[in-house]
Amino acid sequence: DGGITQSPKYLFRKEGQNVTLSCEQNLNHDAMYWYRQDPGQGLRLIYYSQIVNDFQKGDIAEGYSVSREKKESFPLTVTSAQKNPTAFYLCASKTNNYQPQHFGDGTRLSIL
Amino acid sequence: EDQVTQSPEALRLQEGESSSLNCSYTVSGLRGLFWYRQDPGKGPEFLFTLYSAGEEKEKERLKATLTKKESFLHITAPKPEDSATYLCAVQANTGTASKLTFGTGTRLQVTL
Repeated sequence: DGGITQSPKYLFRKEGQNVTLSCEQNLNHDAMYWYRQDPGQGLRLIYYSQIVNDFQKGDIAEGYSVSREKKESFPLTVTSAQKNPTAFYLCASKTNNYQPQHFGDGTRLSIL
Repeated sequence: EDQVTQSPEALRLQEGESSSLNCSYTVSGLRGLFWYRQDPGKGPEFLFTLYSAGEEKEKERLKATLTKKESFLHITAPKPEDSATYLCAVQANTGTASKLTFGTGTRLQVTL
């Protein structure tokens, strides 16, 4: 089945720790995105990548980092510099400009 | 700056009671308006894309319409399984990144 797989479903971060969220897609999509969802707020864009080995900051990139070494994979690292990391993180991908983004089922990150 | 406002924040309907959800937007040239459905703890599921004023799309009990300032998601004779949060997003006709601006959603509950 084609789709977007995010793992883990739940993740806990200790103070001063970096954690990495996985996003894999087998849809052969070129573009991939990371969003953060907080209660009462719309989805906010963290980083996006339109092609392998290239990515751009979104609206709230501070405290986060990404890589895009393979077309299928776009991992997100939440660094210790992100002071308020508790949120629901969503990964999305899409093909050309006129197609919709499709989403994975998210990772919920909490602070221990 | 692109903006999306959804109303109401929450809506409770009885089974069979039709209603509409509103999505008002301001965007520097609309490339597309997207409707998604999101169940608790899951990623958004794509429903419709609308590209130009006057366009309508239908899927089962849902019908989306678009004007130059807003979009409506009409729900006809809803069932309990239609309960979810409905998200609206716009893509501007500038740049190449296919970035979306999301509203905060309408939480729909359909009771027996």
